[in-house]
Amino acid sequence: GEDVEQSLFLSVREGDSSVINCTYTDSSSTYLYWYKQEPGAGLQLLTYIFSNMDMKQDQRLTVLLNKKDKHLSLRIADTQTGDSAIYFCAEKGDSNYQLIWGAGTKLIIKP
Amino acid sequence: DVKVTQSSRYLVKRTGEKVFLECVQDMDHENMFWYRQDPGLGLRLIYFSYDVKMKEKGDIPEGYSVSREKKERFSLILESASTNQTSMYLCASTSRLTYEQYFGPGTRLTVT
Repeated sequence: GEDVEQSLFLSVREGDSSVINCTYTDSSSTYLYWYKQEPGAGLQLLTYIFSNMDMKQDQRLTVLLNKKDKHLSLRIADTQTGDSAIYFCAEKGDSNYQLIWGAGTKLIIKP
Repeated sequence: DVKVTQSSRYLVKRTGEKVFLECVQDMDHENMFWYRQDPGLGLRLIYFSYDVKMKEKGDIPEGYSVSREKKERFSLILESASTNQTSMYLCASTSRLTYEQYFGPGTRLTVT
């Protein structure tokens, strides 16, 4: 079945770039998403990319999509303490209703 | 501003109690979802609903039921709470035109 995989943790120094990676199995994915969850809160959409795009940039965020390798990444430039959160990758598979979710990557910022 | 609200942020219940978690959205969305979130397991879909009175089982429906009598409201029911249902419960909604899911703040349920 469809699956989305992410590392559980990433630790970076404040001011460095963070790169969070995700791999997926469904080659028919049309949309891929990055969501952010701050401590004690629900999930909030950060950005998304259509499957016919390779890259999308939005201020400090850069999303790269490699369809051949089914690999999605989220780069956060100049990582700040406010970026501490869990980042979820999700894809829209065949279902008209459901998203397939990764387990989430907890981003830890070191001073 | 879009809004999904959940009836409680924190809830403590005893084993065997019936538990109701309520979710309300103000975006006129057709689709609503209940997930549970556990560390290292990500989001697991319990049930979803694509219209009033319609429901579909997700990946882990056992021990849960749902009710959708009005478009804006989707309730999750634990008929007889058990300690393995201690978790964070997240509600989400989405329109049929887009697939972006909007989430509520979550309910952290502890069953003792």
